[in-house]
Amino acid sequence: EAGVAQSPRYKIIEKRQSVAFWCNPISGHATLYWYQQILGQGPKLLIQFQNNGVVDDSQLPKDRFSAERLKGVDSTLKIQPAKLEDSAVYLCASSFPRVISGRTSTDTQYFGPGTRLTVL
Amino acid sequence: AQSVTQPDIHITVSEGASLELRCNYSYGATPYLFWYVQSPGQGLQLLLKYFSGDTLVQGIKGFEAEFKRSQSSFNLRKPSVHWSDAAEYFCAVRSGNTGKLIFGQGTTLQVKP
Repeated sequence: EAGVAQSPRYKIIEKRQSVAFWCNPISGHATLYWYQQILGQGPKLLIQFQNNGVVDDSQLPKDRFSAERLKGVDSTLKIQPAKLEDSAVYLCASSFPRVISGRTSTDTQYFGPGTRLTVL
Repeated sequence: AQSVTQPDIHITVSEGASLELRCNYSYGATPYLFWYVQSPGQGLQLLLKYFSGDTLVQGIKGFEAEFKRSQSSFNLRKPSVHWSDAAEYFCAVRSGNTGKLIFGQGTTLQVKP
């Protein structure tokens, strides 16, 4: 079974430029997550999709970050314009919803290799 | 608020020695807990998870973790560490019904030959 795919793996840009990251989840996984991992910290959720709908984007800096999952499969995360503090690894994860005790709940999240962004 | 604390930022152990990485969580209901490992330049790989039932859970690569509700802890253990275990380890709790993960800041494991 193929894992979560992400591209590019590395990106270096200057501040105020724009950048986009792509994620292809595991086949059949309806839930997709984007996390930001700043050096020395644990990952922090930016946005969560269920199919093509947004479940949680409370931590997404909406003035500069945007994300979409138009067909409920692939997703893109965009930053425009980038700031120095956006330097981080951007991780994509996916999971397959399952029913626990009669309630639909998301299952284990599987992570892609990440995109390391450096903003100069 | 839900949170995860990993008290040890950096741990060094000798190859063959035993290992315990600490994790404390703050969560109102029964938590769903995870341990992930991240090697340099890699994504996160799931080591093990606790949803319910037996409080001692077995994972991959010889790791195990014990859920202790009274101590709000979910410590990761391995009886004999291998050089290839050097990596960063993250404890996480799943939040509410959305399923997002809240991570600790991580513990970096260094293995001495």
